[in-house]
Amino acid sequence: NAGVTQTPKFQVLKTGQSMTLQCAQDMNHNSMYWYRQDPGMGLRLIYYSASEGTTDKGEVPNGYNVSRLNKREFSLRLESAAPSQTSVYFCASSVDLGETQYFGPGTRLLVL
Amino acid sequence: GENVGLHLPTLSVQEGDNSIINCAYSNSASDYFIWYKQESGKGPQFIIDIRSNMDKRQGQRVTVLLNKTVKHLSLQIAATQPGDSAVYFCAPNAGGTSYGKLTFGQGTILTVHP
Repeated sequence: NAGVTQTPKFQVLKTGQSMTLQCAQDMNHNSMYWYRQDPGMGLRLIYYSASEGTTDKGEVPNGYNVSRLNKREFSLRLESAAPSQTSVYFCASSVDLGETQYFGPGTRLLVL
Repeated sequence: GENVGLHLPTLSVQEGDNSIINCAYSNSASDYFIWYKQESGKGPQFIIDIRSNMDKRQGQRVTVLLNKTVKHLSLQIAATQPGDSAVYFCAPNAGGTSYGKLTFGQGTILTVHP
């Protein structure tokens, strides 16, 4: 099992550009999550999906959209990137909401 | 919202020593607690968890203690090794309307010297 995979590993964008971060899990988990991590800080929840077909806002959803494409995949979209969105983005999944979350390796995003 | 704090933002130990990393939380509705280890450039890795109906749980070289009375957790690492050097996060799983969401503190940086 690969666990949670994320693409790309690293991306540089110019302000105003858009992009989609991809996440997939092969553990048959129902719930998936997107976090961002800024230097010296803990992870902050952007959006989550309790199960296929549902998505909900987390702590810092502004400037982002998500799509739960199917049970395996959960994507995060930045429609118009801003320098404040420079961060490391982590995807995670869990069997169900409230269970242990397992994290991917992260996507490092730099917005100039 | 949840306030998760750590008493020691950095901890430096010698190889072979035991390490204790502390974590305070404020939400009395939290009923599940997870410790993660994050190495540089990697995603958080699950170490051990504990539910609120327990006060101690042991894993391989790690022990988590939970004191619900004072809302405090600790992670004990026995015979610390250089490979244990990382940032450690405790993550309460908040109850109530925030059920299922984890709250991460800043983390404690553990440095193990050979």
